[in-house]
Amino acid sequence: AQKVTQAQTEISVVEKEDVTLDCVYETRDTTYYLFWYKQPPSGELVFLIRRNSFDEQNEISGRYSWNFQKSTSSFNFTITASQVVDSAVYFCALSERGYSTLTFGKGTMLLVSP
Amino acid sequence: GAVVSQHPSWVICKSGTSVKIECRSLDFQATTMFWYRQFPKQSLMLMATSNEGSKATYEQGVEKDKFLINHASLTLSTLTVTSAHPEDSSFYICSAPRAESSGANVLTFGAGSRLTVL
Repeated sequence: AQKVTQAQTEISVVEKEDVTLDCVYETRDTTYYLFWYKQPPSGELVFLIRRNSFDEQNEISGRYSWNFQKSTSSFNFTITASQVVDSAVYFCALSERGYSTLTFGKGTMLLVSP
Repeated sequence: GAVVSQHPSWVICKSGTSVKIECRSLDFQATTMFWYRQFPKQSLMLMATSNEGSKATYEQGVEKDKFLINHASLTLSTLTVTSAHPEDSSFYICSAPRAESSGANVLTFGAGSRLTVL
């Protein structure tokens, strides 16, 4: 069975601080996909990134970066120089073998104060 | 890019009434759509998989007669909460997969529908 654990329930930072959101996953498959979604107060889920299990390259997109480590089954997400607009709930999710259904972690609420 | 439209975005109804939520893929066809439910400050839980032209597949613990799903066309799936009760109040989110050239399916989510049952 697959499982996604986001141990941090809530994180509070001050603007311009860097913050890392942790994600640990469990799966028996060798082929899988990992995702991060952002859910602002409006409720709509915003896709941030997808990474397949064969691609362990870290990725940077503007202030966002992702660190995928299969050895520790982790897919952590870092926001550099956080901004108030980054305040949202962030979900890590797993999809096995390209199946469309996602297993979500419980989410981490990020609060960025001015 | 792929867009999924969900309607209504919020609805308030009286206990005992039925409420229908629509999910449309606007610029792509979706033979499959997924319905998720999210309680306040909790994660998304998959309720069911909607299949065009056939019956929906429900996750364990989800009442089929309570949550009626119909996938009428390649761009429309509906979720009807029948005889709604206050405990059905929740945020319902639909999603549709879009195949990429890599072979992976990327889910596009609707904006969600917030149901409040009085």
